[in-house]
Amino acid sequence: GENVEQHPSTLSVQEGDSAVIKCTYSDSASNYFPWYKQELGKRPQLIIDIRSNVGEKKDQRIAVTLNKTAKHFSLHITETQPEDSAVYFCAASMGGATNKLIFGTGTLLAVQP
Amino acid sequence: DVKVTQSSRYLVKRTGEKVFLECVQDMDHENMFWYRQDPGLGLRLIYFSYDVKMKEKGDIPEGYSVSREKKERFSLILESASTNQTSMYLCASTSGGLYEQYFGPGTRLTVT
Repeated sequence: GENVEQHPSTLSVQEGDSAVIKCTYSDSASNYFPWYKQELGKRPQLIIDIRSNVGEKKDQRIAVTLNKTAKHFSLHITETQPEDSAVYFCAASMGGATNKLIFGTGTLLAVQP
Repeated sequence: DVKVTQSSRYLVKRTGEKVFLECVQDMDHENMFWYRQDPGLGLRLIYFSYDVKMKEKGDIPEGYSVSREKKERFSLILESASTNQTSMYLCASTSGGLYEQYFGPGTRLTVT
């Protein structure tokens, strides 16, 4: 079946450094790619998303890039802060007339002060 | 603000019991989902519903069933709980496939 691979599974950075999380998807019909952040003990929340007609999107310190040819998309966090510490999930929409998302396995980001 | 609530934050049940997990959303969303979250496995879709009384199997439906009698409410049922169903269960809702899914706070279910 269709899947989304996410790497790395854990990432530790120093405060102020950048962090990059990468995902690869298999369904060529996927056209929506959201990223969710889940802080410890809390629910996942959308932080940024991108649609297939756009190659890059930025929101302050967060950016997402999409390469549809290679079926890759990435999350970039610049100037990391301790409050960025969380689990991050990428996801890709299922192709066709469906409302389903396929999620990656998550990346635990630890920002060391 | 969209609000998605789940009936329990923590639940402990015995093997073989029938378990009901309930999810309610207040945004008139057509689509509702049940996920299971396990370390290293991410969020896996159990069932989803795109309208009242409509449901579709997700990736791991075995051992689960669902019910959606009203638009705002989506229930997950474990017919006969087993220890391998110990997990965090997350409900979500959305107005459409290309839009944000709003998650509930989760139910941590332990089956002993």
